[in-house]
Amino acid sequence: EVQLVQSGAEVKKPGESLRISCKASGYSFTTYWINWVRQMPGKGLEWMGRIDPSDSYTTYSPSFQGHVTISADKSISTAYLQWSSLKVSDTAMYYCARRANPADYWGQGTLVTVSS
Amino acid sequence: QSVLTQPPSVSAAPGQKVTISCSGSSSNIGNNYVCWYQQLPGTAPKLLISDNNKRPSGIPDRFSGSKSGTSATLGITGLQTGDEADYYCGTWDSSLSAGVFGGGTKLTVL
Repeated sequence: EVQLVQSGAEVKKPGESLRISCKASGYSFTTYWINWVRQMPGKGLEWMGRIDPSDSYTTYSPSFQGHVTISADKSISTAYLQWSSLKVSDTAMYYCARRANPADYWGQGTLVTVSS
Repeated sequence: QSVLTQPPSVSAAPGQKVTISCSGSSSNIGNNYVCWYQQLPGTAPKLLISDNNKRPSGIPDRFSGSKSGTSATLGITGLQTGDEADYYCGTWDSSLSAGVFGGGTKLTVL
């Protein structure tokens, strides 16, 4: 069974750094891209970017380029989304998903709250 | 604003049929497959329709998808109260080299 299990909720202060994770199981991790999707409170889905776990090649949405970093460790079938300096506006639910079109399996989401 | 345009809300009575539209352009819907996702309250999105009109295993045939030109449509027949959710269309945008979603449509089953 394909599963994407994300790390738990985080509460951070503005300016702090953060890395959240997405652990894949039930398939060959290097076969499919992992995508990250943001959902701000009460809002819709926004595609952030993706990584090819086989070689860690990444592409980003223009809206998120330079604001986040996507990485992966294929030895432990885990993808990451990280921020070097969080802003209050980064408060959102973040989902990882296998593939982009279609995104056929989704993680349960990681809620990130940034507040002073 | 979202790259793809959906109506904010639709509603219908139990047992009835509803359609949700998704409008885009030649760089996205016009030249790429469209998917539809269902997001029940408080849960992660779930793939409902892939490749314009294909239902993944376990998705009932009450759900259907179609595409024409730069627009796509999700149809739901035999509406149930359990279908109340937000529905999103999604595809790839070849000009942006990015995934894109519609703004979402909230379905209310009256």
